[in-house]
Amino acid sequence: EAGVAQSPRYKIIEKRQSVAFWCNPISGHATLYWYQQILGQGPKLLIQFQNNGVVDDSQLPKDRFSAERLKGVDSTLKIQPAKLEDSAVYLCASSLDRLVDSPLHFGNGTRLTVT
Amino acid sequence: LAKTTQPISMDSYEGQEVNITCSHNNIATNDYITWYQQFPSQGPRFIIQGYKTKVTNEVASLFIPADRKSSTLSLPRVSLSDTAVYYCLAFYNTDKLIFGTGTRLQVFP
Repeated sequence: EAGVAQSPRYKIIEKRQSVAFWCNPISGHATLYWYQQILGQGPKLLIQFQNNGVVDDSQLPKDRFSAERLKGVDSTLKIQPAKLEDSAVYLCASSLDRLVDSPLHFGNGTRLTVT
Repeated sequence: LAKTTQPISMDSYEGQEVNITCSHNNIATNDYITWYQQFPSQGPRFIIQGYKTKVTNEVASLFIPADRKSSTLSLPRVSLSDTAVYYCLAFYNTDKLIFGTGTRLQVFP
């Protein structure tokens, strides 16, 4: 099966600019996650969708970050305006559902550098 | 969700068996123990999962004692390509799933 697709692979922007990341999950996967991974740390959950509804966005900085999953398939994560501390890898993952026996499948992420 | 504790790093040599122990003192009755592996510039990849006793697949074994307060990931005869970060998680559903800092395994020739 095709894996989780993310684009772009790399992005460099200046602070206060905006940026968007795109994710195409594995076909049929109802649950989609966006994680932020800062160098040397484990992935931090930003937002979790079940189909096109939000399950958890408690750690999403909503003043600058937004995410949507229209039609319950593809998703986009946007940052506007970006700050230096947003430099990280943004990982998208999907799973068949939210049960423990449905492992998460991760994409290779988008590496964002904010200068 | 149970909090897990792992060693920050471990070193090994090719051909050795590596055991990474994870502590999860407040694990809940319904929680499973799951391990992910992450290579540089890639997303984490599911390795193995278990509830109790021993689970084995083609890449690893997972040992879980009866009290389930800890678990051990065993990698037989590691190679250079096993150099990665390994994450231990304990949960029963993926809501609010949080990764820790993981264990950085370095395999030397």
